[in-house]
Amino acid sequence: ILNVEQSPQSLHVQEGDSTNFTCSFPSSNFYALHWYRWETAKSPEALFVMTLNGDEKKKGRISATLNTKEGYSYLYIKGSQPEDSATYLCAFSILNDMRFGAGTRLTVKP
Amino acid sequence: NAGVTQTPKFQVLKTGQSMTLQCAQDMNHNSMYWYRQDPGMGLRLIYYSASEGTTDKGEVPNGYNVSRLNKREFSLRLESAAPSQTSVYFCASSAIPGQGAMETQYFGPGTRLLVL
Repeated sequence: ILNVEQSPQSLHVQEGDSTNFTCSFPSSNFYALHWYRWETAKSPEALFVMTLNGDEKKKGRISATLNTKEGYSYLYIKGSQPEDSATYLCAFSILNDMRFGAGTRLTVKP
Repeated sequence: NAGVTQTPKFQVLKTGQSMTLQCAQDMNHNSMYWYRQDPGMGLRLIYYSASEGTTDKGEVPNGYNVSRLNKREFSLRLESAAPSQTSVYFCASSAIPGQGAMETQYFGPGTRLLVL
C-alpha cells in the first residue's frame, strides 16, 4: 500500500513568516517524489521532482529536501507572501503509479 | 499551445447514465493520466496510458474505462454512473513513456461531475 501522508492539513501564517510542511512516504522501492502547488479553481502546477536521497531543490523562495531512507520530504517557504496561499501536494511514484497526499492548505494573511 | 484541455467543464448525470470525459494535449507527450479528486483525499489515479496503444489500471479503476484514441487524446468513460463517482476529474500528461512518474505532469483544468 502506497500511503502518502502530509502534515499539517492546514496552516495559517502572517505575511513574511517562513514555514515548512512535511510529506511522509514508504521508504522501500522509492522512485520519485513530486511537489505540486494547487491554487483554488486552477490546476496543480509542478514545483519539484526529486529522485535521489539528499536532493535539495529550490525555486525562488520555495525549496524542498528529500530523505528516501527515512521516507520524508520537507517543503520550505521563506518569507511567505499572500500569493503563496494554495494547497501544496506531494506525490510518491513507482513507475507510472502516482500516489498523492491530501495536501497542506496554506493561507498567508497580509 | 493550449496544454491539456478537458471537456466538459461541468456535467450532471442521473444514476445509471453513461458519459465520456474527453482529454487532449498538444505537447506531444507520450504518457497520459486520469485522476479523481475528492475532499480530504487528494488526487487518486484511475487509469494511465504510458504510451499510445497502452492503458493500465491505477489505484481506483472500478466503474471506469479508458481509451487512448491517439497520441493526443485520452478519454474516460463511465458506463453506468453512480453517486460515488461524483468528483472532480483531472487529466494529466507527461513526456517520457515508462518514466512518466519521474517527469513533471501537466494537468488539465478539471471536469466537475455530479451524479444524482
